[in-house]
Amino acid sequence: DTGVSQDPRHKITKRGQNVTFRCDPISEHNRLYWYRQTLGQGPEFLTYFQNEAQLEKSRLLSDRFSAERPKGSFSTLEIQRTEQGDSAMYLCASSKTLINNEQFFGPGTRLTVL
Amino acid sequence: AQTVTQSQPEMSVQEAETVTLSCTYDTSESDYYLFWYKQPPSRQMILVIRQEAYKQQNATENRFSVNFQKAAKSFSLKISDSQLGDAAMYFCACLTYNQGGKLIFGQGTELSVKP
Repeated sequence: DTGVSQDPRHKITKRGQNVTFRCDPISEHNRLYWYRQTLGQGPEFLTYFQNEAQLEKSRLLSDRFSAERPKGSFSTLEIQRTEQGDSAMYLCASSKTLINNEQFFGPGTRLTVL
Repeated sequence: AQTVTQSQPEMSVQEAETVTLSCTYDTSESDYYLFWYKQPPSRQMILVIRQEAYKQQNATENRFSVNFQKAAKSFSLKISDSQLGDAAMYFCACLTYNQGGKLIFGQGTELSVKP
């Protein structure tokens, strides 16, 4: 299966710790998106990349959050000094170059901050 | 700013029957796309159907079809001949060119299918 993969699938951490998530997009996809989904809600946009360039960040992405996509391949999302409010499902999606191309979603990383 | 609203938190349908999920949206853009995504329990989100705003004809994908009312900014999803595997969360979403291609999602509708 060559779909979008995310690692880890689940992460439990204590408040104040740093966590890093990884997303591997479909190989020929240039665009990569991060969304956050809290229980019972729809996903909310966090940030997106066109190749290695981070083109937009949501106001939801505080300075504790940082995302990278070195060499335009996989992407990482790091959360520093985690808070209980960061508990959510973090979804990654990728698509081909055109904005209206279908976004393919990964299985997500579920973060629980104790 | 764009908004997408799904006013039905939960819906239920009998197997083999038809169900319609509602969605309204608001955008000032003229060039946009609308989507319905399905998220089964503990499984990843998949695209069900998409509609380009410039197309008047309603999109259809097998048992899934939409009723796109542009003036009313309404985009409902009809599922015909419902199957047990249709049980999932369904999200309506909007995308515009001027917003960089990010999807704006509604709150979701949880669909259950009764055998």
